[in-house]
Amino acid sequence: SQKIEQNSEALNIQEGKTATLTCNYTNYSPAYLQWYRQDPGRGPVFLLLIRENEKEKRKERLKVTFDTTLKQSLFHITASQPADSATYLCALALGGKLIFGQGTELSVKP
Amino acid sequence: SAVISQKPSRDICQRGTSLTIQCQVDSQVTMMFWYRQQPGQSLTLIATANQGSEATYESGFVIDKFPISRPNLTFSTLTVSNMSPEDSSIYLCSVYDRTRTSTDTQYFGPGTRLTVL
Repeated sequence: SQKIEQNSEALNIQEGKTATLTCNYTNYSPAYLQWYRQDPGRGPVFLLLIRENEKEKRKERLKVTFDTTLKQSLFHITASQPADSATYLCALALGGKLIFGQGTELSVKP
Repeated sequence: SAVISQKPSRDICQRGTSLTIQCQVDSQVTMMFWYRQQPGQSLTLIATANQGSEATYESGFVIDKFPISRPNLTFSTLTVSNMSPEDSSIYLCSVYDRTRTSTDTQYFGPGTRLTVL
């Protein structure tokens, strides 16, 4: 079955630094991969989608890369801010449904 | 993007009782889903709510325990039946509209935090 793995340990970084989160998947390569942000007590919010033929996608301070050979996506937040503190989830589509990784909790300290 | 509301936002229930959670969307959508998020865990898909027909359940979830209704394209309910403490979770509904996107991007409601004593 398809599996998605994210850094299970929380990531703590200093404000202004770049946060890098990893998402690895097994078995088949999806046509696209998505990243969501989830704040405590809230539902996930869609951030970015990257397709298999795209190596990199950017949105403001966010950057996502997709390496289908390594079966890995990296999610970067540059010039991080305390407001970026949240759990970040990667997800891939399988048969019209989304399969989520377990998420990585990011904490940005001032 | 769609605006999704859920009721109740949280509840504390006694073992053996049932709770019905409502999900309302501000526009018609083709697909609606129900997820469970147990404490410290990621999201697990319970079922796809199908308009006008029975929901499609994922492995490990059954209709008797989680009956779902979807009477129209903007509304769905999930009932958690005969609850036990193991059902304590956040329950989330999500939607996407295949007429607007081909990429399965989903929009989530705020969730219902359920505690079973």
